[in-house]
Amino acid sequence: KQEVTQIPAALSVPEGENLVLNCSFTDSAIYNLQWFRQDPGKGLTSLLLIQSSQREQTSGRLNASLDKSSGRSTLYIAASQPGDSATYLCAVRISNFGNEKLTFGTGTRLTIIP
Amino acid sequence: DGGITQSPKYLFRKEGQNVTLSCEQNLNHDAMYWYRQDPGQGLRLIYYSQIVNDFQKGDIAEGYSVSREKKESFPLTVTSAQKNPTAFYLCASSMGWDLLWETQYFGPGTRLLVL
Repeated sequence: KQEVTQIPAALSVPEGENLVLNCSFTDSAIYNLQWFRQDPGKGLTSLLLIQSSQREQTSGRLNASLDKSSGRSTLYIAASQPGDSATYLCAVRISNFGNEKLTFGTGTRLTIIP
Repeated sequence: DGGITQSPKYLFRKEGQNVTLSCEQNLNHDAMYWYRQDPGQGLRLIYYSQIVNDFQKGDIAEGYSVSREKKESFPLTVTSAQKNPTAFYLCASSMGWDLLWETQYFGPGTRLLVL
């Protein structure tokens, strides 16, 4: 059974710093991995989606990498801003036919200190 | 504006009562999903629907029911059989269940509380 872990559960950093969020998964037979952002009491917004054949994806100040063989992904945020404060969740989609659902991690709550 | 709407934002349930959470999308998506989010846990799949008039149980379907009579709508009923319904419920949609490269789009959520 696929398990997705995100450590740490919470992270606080001063504004302007670069930071890395981690995501690990137990079954490397994934189809893709996504990073989502969730603001308090709100739904999820997709940030980046990496296909299993890709190593990384970039969008603005965000860069996500994927290492399938080691079961790890990182989300790099450059020049952090207070508006980046949110919970970040990763989710993997496994490739077994008939079981293509997303499996989510528990998230990392990020606070950017002005 | 295209998107997913969920109502109500807050819902209170009394003991033994069934309640229904609404989810509507105007994205012309075939697939729709219901997730439950508890503090400190990841999202867990309750039910999903690949197409109108079809739906499948997810990982935690017990105590819940759904219907998919229209493409745009996927209501979730929390029945009295669900003994621990207090949670944040999220509805999502995607173009197709089998379009694995597609992302899911999420609604704003409904917080269900038990009185």
